[in-house]
Amino acid sequence: DSGVTQTPKHLITATGQRVTLRCSPRSGDLSVYWYQQSLDQGLQFLIQYYNGEERAKGNILERFSAQQFPDLHSELNLSSLELGDSALYFCASSPHAGAIDEQYFGPGTRLTVT
Amino acid sequence: GDSVTQMEGPVTLSEEAFLTINCTYTATGYPSLFWYVQYPGEGLQLLLKATKADDKGSNKGFEATYRKETTSFHLEKGSVQVSDSAVYFCALNYGGATNKLIFGTGTLLAVQP
Repeated sequence: DSGVTQTPKHLITATGQRVTLRCSPRSGDLSVYWYQQSLDQGLQFLIQYYNGEERAKGNILERFSAQQFPDLHSELNLSSLELGDSALYFCASSPHAGAIDEQYFGPGTRLTVT
Repeated sequence: GDSVTQMEGPVTLSEEAFLTINCTYTATGYPSLFWYVQYPGEGLQLLLKATKADDKGSNKGFEATYRKETTSFHLEKGSVQVSDSAVYFCALNYGGATNKLIFGTGTLLAVQP
């Protein structure tokens, strides 16, 4: 158990809908990262937050957004969903932002868009 | 841009066989290199890492050496077990202002008794 929790575990929704994925980092970790794992694209970095502020952006679509709240949990919002958004979404956390810390991964949320 | 290339899987081995999973990288600077493992139904776990050239990372019998001259970070284990069956990801990270990981495509290892 990494200490990172993600909810829900599974999500099935229809095209055009909007969903919110939630992540609680390990106690004491200030950085949260979101990754998408799909058969087409592999495992890709989406976005990083550090202590409530956006720190880095990767291959995140404009239809996707994220935020980190004062209690350090993070949410990833996916809107106008398409079939191609079906993937496993991982959250990871680390103590700091810039240092090369180990990232601790949650179990993931499997999103299926039908 | 920066990238990581891994050998295609699946790799199927018998228990106690020698394992090599190849990983090469393309980078403009001097990244740190990692191997992560993903067991079925779980998130990724850090297996080992190396932060500079010629460093050797090791953990649980797995080893990988950071070779700058060949831009490689091949994963090896002398004697695999059934419990090693998982997907293995090679990754690089520059740290600095961010800590984002760039992953390879992953290699599925299946160890048969």
